[in-house]
Amino acid sequence: EPEVTQTPSHQVTQMGQEVILRCVPISNHLYFYWYRQILGQKVEFLVSFYNNEISEKSEIFDDQFSVERPDGSNFTLKIRSTKLEDSAMYFCASSEDAAPGTQYFGPGTRLTVL
Amino acid sequence: TQLLEQSPQFLSIQEGENLTVYCNSSSVFSSLQWYRQEPGEGPVLLVTVVTGGEVKKLKRLTFQFGDARKDSSLHITAAQPGDTGLYLCAGAKTSYDKVIFGPGTSLSVIP
Repeated sequence: EPEVTQTPSHQVTQMGQEVILRCVPISNHLYFYWYRQILGQKVEFLVSFYNNEISEKSEIFDDQFSVERPDGSNFTLKIRSTKLEDSAMYFCASSEDAAPGTQYFGPGTRLTVL
Repeated sequence: TQLLEQSPQFLSIQEGENLTVYCNSSSVFSSLQWYRQEPGEGPVLLVTVVTGGEVKKLKRLTFQFGDARKDSSLHITAAQPGDTGLYLCAGAKTSYDKVIFGPGTSLSVIP
């Protein structure tokens, strides 16, 4: 069964460093999303992406964040200068055009900022 | 602001018992999803409901979408230890919109 994959599974970085989290969405999906989940809290929406541009972004998704689909398969989230409070699980999700509200999530990348 | 509430927050039951968890909102959603999440892993989609009053069954799990599309329930029959996990409801306002997550119900089924 097709699935969303994410790399790395765990990333440890120093505060102020740049990180890139990578995702490979399900191949026939057209809509892509990033969410994050701080330990013990709700899953929160960060950004949605369709047709090579951002569809919507949350208040969390400030100028330190960017997304890119560099080729036909990868979808990346970049954090330019990480802060301690960026420590969280980051989940990529994707959905196809014919399935309302049905998003499939990847296993997540645990980001730890020291 | 759209919010989803879930109840109960925690539930601990004996194997073989039935249970129902609830997801409520003051907002109307075009669809509601139920996910199950294990510690340190991503949410795994269980079901999507899109029509008010819709009932879907997945083995021992029964999902219902409220008539007004503001609430949903998940009923598990004869719970098993393998059902242990965090159950999340999530709603989308439009077809391709972001998904708003509830806080989850943490279920523990004791053998």
